[in-house]
Amino acid sequence: NAGVTQTPKFQVLKTGQSMTLQCAQDMNHNSMYWYRQDPGMGLRLIYYSASEGTTDKGEVPNGYNVSRLNKREFSLRLESAAPSQTSVYFCASRDRVGRIYNEQFFGPGTRLTVL
Amino acid sequence: QQQVKQSPQSLIVQKGGISIINCAYENTAFDYFPWYQQFPGKGPALLIAIRPDVSEKKEGRFTISFNKSAKQFSLHIMDSQPGDSATYFCAARITSGTYKYIFGTGTRLKVLA
Repeated sequence: NAGVTQTPKFQVLKTGQSMTLQCAQDMNHNSMYWYRQDPGMGLRLIYYSASEGTTDKGEVPNGYNVSRLNKREFSLRLESAAPSQTSVYFCASRDRVGRIYNEQFFGPGTRLTVL
Repeated sequence: QQQVKQSPQSLIVQKGGISIINCAYENTAFDYFPWYQQFPGKGPALLIAIRPDVSEKKEGRFTISFNKSAKQFSLHIMDSQPGDSATYFCAARITSGTYKYIFGTGTRLKVLA
C-alpha cells in the first residue's frame, strides 16, 4: 500500500516548455487534489476532483490543466511553463466514508523549477 | 472571506516548553479544522483536527482549542520536543459538498534541545 505517489520528484523546465505531473493513489479514494506550496504562502489549491469524472478549479488554476484519468490517477499539466510556476507541487487524496473520513493524504511532492 | 490567517510565521521554543500557534478565519461555512505537520522534503500529514461543535480536542501532547464566536482556533504543543521541529499548517474545509481546504501560511517551529 504505497498511499499517494507522485512523479517526477524533481524537474527543471525552460520557460515555454510543457510537462505533466503524475499522481496516483491506491487507497480507493474518491477525491483528489493538486496544491502548490510557495514560501510564506502555505498550500494553495490549484484544482481538485471530487470524484472520478469531475474536476473543478481551486484558488490558483491559471496556467494549469488537469485530467482525472480514472479513480486512481489525477494528472496536472503545465502547457507553457513560466518562472512563476516554480514551486513544490503536492497531490492529495481523500475518502468520503469510513474510519478516516475527512483526512487528506498527501504525496511526497514534486519540486519544479522553471528557468 | 476565504482566507485563514495563521501566526506566528516562526516560533522558537525550549525543550519542554509549550508551543502555541494561532489561526483565524472569516467564513462561517467552514465545518472542519485540521492541523498538518510537515517535515522538510515531505508532504504534510494530518496531526489533529476539530469540528466547530467542540471547543477543545486533545491527542497526546497536542491540543486544539476552538473559539467559534471569535472565529479562532489554536494548536498547543505541550512538553515540546526537538522532534516536533517542523512546519505546521492550519486549514479549514469548506462545506457544500466540494470539500475544498483553505490553508494558513504555515508556522516554522524550532524546538531547542
